[in-house]
Amino acid sequence: GENVEQHPSTLSVQEGDSAVIKCTYSDSASNYFPWYKQELGKRPQLIIDIRSNVGEKKDQRIAVTLNKTAKHFSLHITETQPEDSAVYFCAASIRGGADGLTFGKGTHLIIQP
Amino acid sequence: NAGVTQTPKFQVLKTGQSMTLQCAQDMNHEYMSWYRQDPGMGLRLIHYSVGAGITDQGEVPNGYNVSRSTTEDFPLRLLSAAPSQTSVYFCASRSPSGNTIYFGEGSWLTVV
Repeated sequence: GENVEQHPSTLSVQEGDSAVIKCTYSDSASNYFPWYKQELGKRPQLIIDIRSNVGEKKDQRIAVTLNKTAKHFSLHITETQPEDSAVYFCAASIRGGADGLTFGKGTHLIIQP
Repeated sequence: NAGVTQTPKFQVLKTGQSMTLQCAQDMNHEYMSWYRQDPGMGLRLIHYSVGAGITDQGEVPNGYNVSRSTTEDFPLRLLSAAPSQTSVYFCASRSPSGNTIYFGEGSWLTVV
């Protein structure tokens, strides 16, 4: 089955700086890669996703890049703000597949004022 | 439009007791699934269903049963609770044609 590795487990950055979270996956058949943000006591919320036919996708301060050859994808957050503090999860699946997502173990992002 | 609704939100069980976590969605989604979330482990898939009458096992199915008698409902049953099942449980749904997975608000379960 699919295996998703996520690094780092904790990331502390100064407010206004950029943050990068990296994930690798094992199953070359995976073609859908979402990122979720989870605040304490809340459900995971989708913040951005990318399909394997696209190398990069941006949405305001958030971007995701995908390297299919290396089986590697990353989340980039620019101009970080205090409300960006949360746990971020990457995931992978076969688009259209019914058997759900395989998640990374999460990155606790801390924005220092 | 309520989305994905889970009940109860909090539950304390004694070892060996049974209970059912309820999940309902009003988006007419065929695909539904249950995940558990433990500290430092991310979310792991327990069981999933592609439609009424069809269920299958995910990564961590042991100790849990599911059924899917209707499109709307996907209950998760713990037949004999164990402390190792202390976790936060999330129900999720999506349509076969879409990628976005919608999560319920979660159910916090403690087994003592």
